[in-house]
Amino acid sequence: EAAVTQSPRNKVTVTGGNVTLSCRQTNSHNYMYWYRQDTGHGLRLIHYSYGAGNLQIGDVPDGYKATRTTQEDFFLLLELASPSQTSLYFCASSDVRNTLYFGAGTRLSVL
Amino acid sequence: DAKTTQPDSMESTEGETVHLPCSHATISGNEYIYWYRQVPLQGPEYVTHGLQQNTTNSMAFLAIASDRKSSTLILPHVSLRDAAVYHCILRAQGTGSKLSFGKGAKLTVSP
Repeated sequence: EAAVTQSPRNKVTVTGGNVTLSCRQTNSHNYMYWYRQDTGHGLRLIHYSYGAGNLQIGDVPDGYKATRTTQEDFFLLLELASPSQTSLYFCASSDVRNTLYFGAGTRLSVL
Repeated sequence: DAKTTQPDSMESTEGETVHLPCSHATISGNEYIYWYRQVPLQGPEYVTHGLQQNTTNSMAFLAIASDRKSSTLILPHVSLRDAAVYHCILRAQGTGSKLSFGKGAKLTVSP
């Protein structure tokens, strides 16, 4: 079973704060993804990556940066957090068959 | 990724066989049909996928129309644990391209 670990599981910050969400997968998958989920919107893709050093823009990238430091690690950065970024964030990785494996999620609150 | 259409919600009773429809009239020849399901506060879970032939696994049976413009996820003898939001998604194999989720279809299972 593929393993994707997200940290922290819960985070509270203030408007203008700096937040980093971490994701690690230990399955040698090339592709990794960051999604946010909000009531009424389903899952929306923020950024994704093909491999270390690669970054691709998703559907809702504004206000977010991402960095893929290694094959295993993918980070989502909010440098000036806003209340609109309060959400449930999911990281996922996929193998060559494009089956996605998701982490347990990070709940972020921006006050 | 091409667009799919699903009902917003469906209701069932424990023990029934549930048919979840998905329409994908503009599907391309190299696109696979993927199904994921998600329970509240957890990441989506892979259910099954197929290209042209019907497929079956321990979780579900996927019936694909001969023209591939629609598919049906069949859940036999549903239990309360099958209550979830089910997502039908198209994705070209091997591209590693972004995978966008819609709102999916919410399946409610009553005792």
